[in-house]
Amino acid sequence: DVKVTQSSRYLVKRTGEKVFLECVQDMDHENMFWYRQDPGLGLRLIYFSYDVKMKEKGDIPEGYSVSREKKERFSLILESASTNQTSMYLCASSLRQGSGNTIYFGEGSWLTVV
Amino acid sequence: AQKITQTQPGMFVQEKEAVTLDCTYDTSDPSYGLFWYKQPSSGEMIFLIYQGSYDQQNATEGRYSLNFQKARKSANLVISASQLGDSAMYFCALEDTNAGKSTFGDGTTLTVKP
Repeated sequence: DVKVTQSSRYLVKRTGEKVFLECVQDMDHENMFWYRQDPGLGLRLIYFSYDVKMKEKGDIPEGYSVSREKKERFSLILESASTNQTSMYLCASSLRQGSGNTIYFGEGSWLTVV
Repeated sequence: AQKITQTQPGMFVQEKEAVTLDCTYDTSDPSYGLFWYKQPSSGEMIFLIYQGSYDQQNATEGRYSLNFQKARKSANLVISASQLGDSAMYFCALEDTNAGKSTFGDGTTLTVKP
């Protein structure tokens, strides 16, 4: 069974803290993504990666960075968390070659910054 | 730039009736794809159906079908014989086959009434 696993389901962090959200996939996918989901705004792409050590900015990269040292692992980093980063974060992965590649999502990480 | 629009924030349907969820898109790429995902209240994203821009026939998967009208740039999801378990948020997504990423709409919350 294919799987995208996000390390933390619920987190509460303080303003200014450095936050790491970890994601691992077991499908040998080239592409990995981090999305943010807020009510009424759908899913917005923060960063994506199409290969190890490669990254591309998405639509809302400000305040975030990412790391992909291994193919199966993609980390989202909030260098200095702020209250406006309170949200649900979704990690996803897909194959790169061709088209119509289903995006597989993790269960989501609910982050509250206080 | 790619754009995807879901104009219905919320929809209601009676159990066993059919419902159409609207999705329009804009892209200048000749090759693209359209996905629909379902997100129940538990938060996981479930792949429902895919339509490629060059596919001649509308995609169908069980009770789900995609009404693809290329000239109108619309890709509406039709759910036949609605069930209570269909109550969820539904997202339409436009695939950029060159970049290997997808843009999601804001979502439509569907409520099935008994």
